[in-house]
Amino acid sequence: DTGVSQDPRHKITKRGQNVTFRCDPISEHNRLYWYRQTLGQGPEFLTYFQNEAQLEKSRLLSDRFSAERPKGSFSTLEIQRTEQGDSAMYLCASSLPSGRNMDTQYFGPGTRLTVL
Amino acid sequence: GQSLEQPSEVTAVEGAIVQINCTYQTSGFYGLSWYQQHDGGAPTFLSYNALDGLEETGRFSSFLSRSDSYGYLLLQELQMKDSASYFCAVRSGGSYIPTFGRGTSLIVHP
Repeated sequence: DTGVSQDPRHKITKRGQNVTFRCDPISEHNRLYWYRQTLGQGPEFLTYFQNEAQLEKSRLLSDRFSAERPKGSFSTLEIQRTEQGDSAMYLCASSLPSGRNMDTQYFGPGTRLTVL
Repeated sequence: GQSLEQPSEVTAVEGAIVQINCTYQTSGFYGLSWYQQHDGGAPTFLSYNALDGLEETGRFSSFLSRSDSYGYLLLQELQMKDSASYFCAVRSGGSYIPTFGRGTSLIVHP
């Protein structure tokens, strides 16, 4: 088990372009979470999956953001028509589903997005 | 909604003991977690409390008082490598999503 991985680690794009990030969770973890983190702030929840089902999305998540987890394994997060305010670190985390295990989240290294 | 308060920065010397406090406001409290994050790195889980009292894991301990809506992370025998940001996170009953605080930057001096 190599932990949670994310790709790419860094992405620089121009305003208006679309970007897609990938997350591979720990293999036996069926819960997967996406967070956004800006400097000096804690991780901010975006959305989460249990297996392939997207169970919750943050009210802060605009329609430009979409996430998928088609086979209950890896997940993708797409941002359409990027804006400069989207510049942030995008973190993925995974956990086991029940009880105390839900509160032990394993984070990936993140994808740092810079929108010019 | 939920809100968490923790100090923005704490400084200490190597070998000392430091306490990082976290107070929270939430309904239907379920548990309090702590994470460590080094600059440029990912958050790493440290500790979790659902019941009142102290949980000890090596040099790190975490305490919870549900009646006071308060918890703290205690770091003993500080090492330079402990310089990092520390986040408390609260999960409320009925939600599967933790809310993170803004983090405390711990600076350890020689």
